[in-house]
Amino acid sequence: AQSVTQPDIHITVSEGASLELRCNYSYGATPYLFWYVQSPGQGLQLLLKYFSGDTLVQGIKGFEAEFKRSQSSFNLRKPSVHWSDAAEYFCAVRSGDGGSQGNLIFGKGTKLSVKP
Amino acid sequence: DAGVIQSPRHEVTEMGQEVTLRCKPISGHDYLFWYRQTMMRGLELLIYFNNNVPIDDSGMPEDRFSAKMPNASFSTLKIQPSEPRDSAVYFCASSPPLRYNEQFFGPGTRLTVL
Repeated sequence: AQSVTQPDIHITVSEGASLELRCNYSYGATPYLFWYVQSPGQGLQLLLKYFSGDTLVQGIKGFEAEFKRSQSSFNLRKPSVHWSDAAEYFCAVRSGDGGSQGNLIFGKGTKLSVKP
Repeated sequence: DAGVIQSPRHEVTEMGQEVTLRCKPISGHDYLFWYRQTMMRGLELLIYFNNNVPIDDSGMPEDRFSAKMPNASFSTLKIQPSEPRDSAVYFCASSPPLRYNEQFFGPGTRLTVL
């Protein structure tokens, strides 16, 4: 069965420091991969997505993610974190070979805190 | 451009009462999703519609839950009777034609069942 693992429940970084949030997926075929961000009291917002092609994808708010098939990973990165990046981040996977369209499987999320 | 609209934002009710959550998707979107978020289980897909037709309701927990989409601009999720374990944040999301993977989420309804 498809699954998504985000090993880090909570991460704290200093403002201006670099950030990497980990995501590992389990799926046999080509995955469609996503990162969403949820600010407190808000719904989820799509940061970026990977369907195919270049394994390094750029998203909004200065985020990027790299798809590594050999490691079944899709880690999210940002070179310099801003205080407004404090939020919860969710990795998600969907079948890329048909099946139930639109059925995203979400990880449990990583909460990011930013120290001044 | 208005995003996905959900109402109410907060709902507190007593066990056994009927609860109706409402959603207005983004105009022009043809997929609509209902999710439930809890600390224990994370974000779970309950049901989704395409062109107002339910496609997959395998995530609906039990018969107490029902969802409808009478037209392209409105959907409801109903719980009858409600139980304390239904307490959660319920999100509605929609996605545009040919981009069903890119879901736009509403702000959610926080439901508390006492």
